[in-house]
Amino acid sequence: EAQVTQNPRYLITVTGKKLTVTCSQNMNHEYMSWYRQDPGLGLRQIYYSMNVEVTDKGDVPEGYKVSRKEKRNFPLILESPSPNQTSLYFCASRDYNEQFFGPGTRLTVL
Amino acid sequence: KQEVTQIPAALSVPEGENLVLNCSFTDSAIYNLQWFRQDPGKGLTSLLLIQSSQREQTSGRLNASLDKSSGRSTLYIAASQPGDSATYLCAAFSGSRLTFGEGTQLTVNP
Repeated sequence: EAQVTQNPRYLITVTGKKLTVTCSQNMNHEYMSWYRQDPGLGLRQIYYSMNVEVTDKGDVPEGYKVSRKEKRNFPLILESPSPNQTSLYFCASRDYNEQFFGPGTRLTVL
Repeated sequence: KQEVTQIPAALSVPEGENLVLNCSFTDSAIYNLQWFRQDPGKGLTSLLLIQSSQREQTSGRLNASLDKSSGRSTLYIAASQPGDSATYLCAAFSGSRLTFGEGTQLTVNP
């Protein structure tokens, strides 16, 4: 089944404790991206990647890092999480036309 | 910078009613426009994708139209059902970025 998977689905952590949210797709897509969704602000793009070893900033990249060492994986790294990064995070991959989303990761930073 | 606006922000209708959700975008140089459905706390489900060269797409009771010249798209839902209750998001793809509207929260009352 074609899908985008994210782990973990739920995470509660404390300020400053480094964390990684994994994202994997099995559709051989070149384009992958990360979004965060917040009430009243909608979905905003954090980072995107056009291919392996090619990444670029989206609209809200501050406080996040990404890497794209393999085509199928695009992890999101929070080196020093802060409470304002509490949000619902979505990973997505894209073929020529359509964007496919993962199920989301709900992150709470205390 | 692309901006996407959805009106209304919320809509409540009785079961069986036909309804229209609106989406407008500021940059008409889009590659395509995609409509999504999101249930509370859940991921995004793609409903319809309209290429920039197309005028409309249909799937079951859903019909989406696109007018690039006026920067507008509409999602028509026929014979609404309580199971259609969700937030509907439109997203415009231009350049290498997908820009989302804030969504219309639809409630269909039995």
